[in-house]
Amino acid sequence: SYELTQPPSVSVALGQTARITCGGNNIEGKNVHWYQQEPGQAPILVIFRDSKRPSGIPERFSGSNSRNTATLTISSAQAGDEADYYCQVWDGRNVIFGGGTKLTVL
Amino acid sequence: EVQVVESGGGLVQPGGSLRLSCAASGFIFSSYSMTWVRQAPGKGLEWVANIKQDGNEKSYVDSVKGRFTISRDNTKNLLYLQMSSLRAEDTAVYFCARLQWLLPGGYFDSWGQGTPVIVSS
Repeated sequence: SYELTQPPSVSVALGQTARITCGGNNIEGKNVHWYQQEPGQAPILVIFRDSKRPSGIPERFSGSNSRNTATLTISSAQAGDEADYYCQVWDGRNVIFGGGTKLTVL
Repeated sequence: EVQVVESGGGLVQPGGSLRLSCAASGFIFSSYSMTWVRQAPGKGLEWVANIKQDGNEKSYVDSVKGRFTISRDNTKNLLYLQMSSLRAEDTAVYFCARLQWLLPGGYFDSWGQGTPVIVSS
């Protein structure tokens, strides 16, 4: 079955750029979507179809997808960006989530 | 405003059954596929089941096949998850979400706050 690999944690200094990766075999052939989840809260969609931002999501959030790695980039990271981030794809009829990455803003 | 609200969670003994509900509002429910996603304590998101708009096409993660049934009532704007033969490993917060279909794979654009299920004796 298809697997997505995310780093368990990423740290970024306040105001700097954070990059969270999502690895999968030939992932560039899939639509990759990203969710932000704060503790005790529901997930929120922050990027869909690799690089599209839903309305209400700041331009600081961007995405890319190439070969075997999709990347969520958060520029000018703020304290409020501290959360868990999950990538998601489909494998046939099944939905696959990455293991999640905890973003810490220092 | 698009909204989905889960209910029905609680404490159940191993081997028991529980039915979760998800009430949808603010959109044409019958036009969207819907999904259940769960999150065990301290763990990541795990997809559980999807159902197409008319309820005729369903899919499940392998670990719940034969034990869980997803269904919907488009006249009442309700989504359900009937869970039986529950195991300790089914303990999780269960989220309902709306699926925006996209080829080759869609995304979940509206989520409820979740309802907790605890399987324990």
